[in-house]
Amino acid sequence: SQQGEEDPQALSIQEGENATMNCSYKTSINNLQWYRQNSGRGLVHLILIRSNEREKHSGRLRVTLDTSKKSSSLLITASRAADTASYFCATVRFGDNNDMRFGAGTRLTVKP
Amino acid sequence: EPEVTQTPSHQVTQMGQEVILRCVPISNHLYFYWYRQILGQKVEFLVSFYNNEISEKSEIFDDQFSVERPDGSNFTLKIRSTKLEDSAMYFCASSAHSGISSYEQYFGPGTRLTVT
Repeated sequence: SQQGEEDPQALSIQEGENATMNCSYKTSINNLQWYRQNSGRGLVHLILIRSNEREKHSGRLRVTLDTSKKSSSLLITASRAADTASYFCATVRFGDNNDMRFGAGTRLTVKP
Repeated sequence: EPEVTQTPSHQVTQMGQEVILRCVPISNHLYFYWYRQILGQKVEFLVSFYNNEISEKSEIFDDQFSVERPDGSNFTLKIRSTKLEDSAMYFCASSAHSGISSYEQYFGPGTRLTVT
């Protein structure tokens, strides 16, 4: 089954710095989504990027998608302590019923 | 803003017992999903449901699992005879559409299931 794989597994930065997380996957996709999960809590949808899109922005978030390399990146600019969470990429394979496959996630810690 | 709700937030059960996890998806959504996350591990897809039937299920979703939409609002996941390895956080999600349209899924807060 197709799954996203994020790297790094853990990232620790100072408040104000940018954080970049990467995701790679194995098969053709319909779309790729990024989610945030605060410790022990539910998943919050951040951005959906379709396979024919290369870049999307939402506030301080920037997502890129390179289908030739089967990879995506999530950039959080000017990070805040409140951004501390785990970030997951999830892929929907083309033709699938919108069923998502998640990666293992990147644990981001933003130190004040 | 509409949201997906799940009950209970925490369920403790003994091995071999049946459990039913409940979800109320967003009211105008048509597609429903269950995922699970074992502590410290990735989120795993279990099953998707549309038009009162299962659309797709993963290899995790064996005969011990079943889903139902008993009325117009609830979506349930039943585990018939729980095992220790069923202990996990179970997330329900819903989306307005599916397929090529690629709509985002909205997740509930999860039910933590502990099997002792």
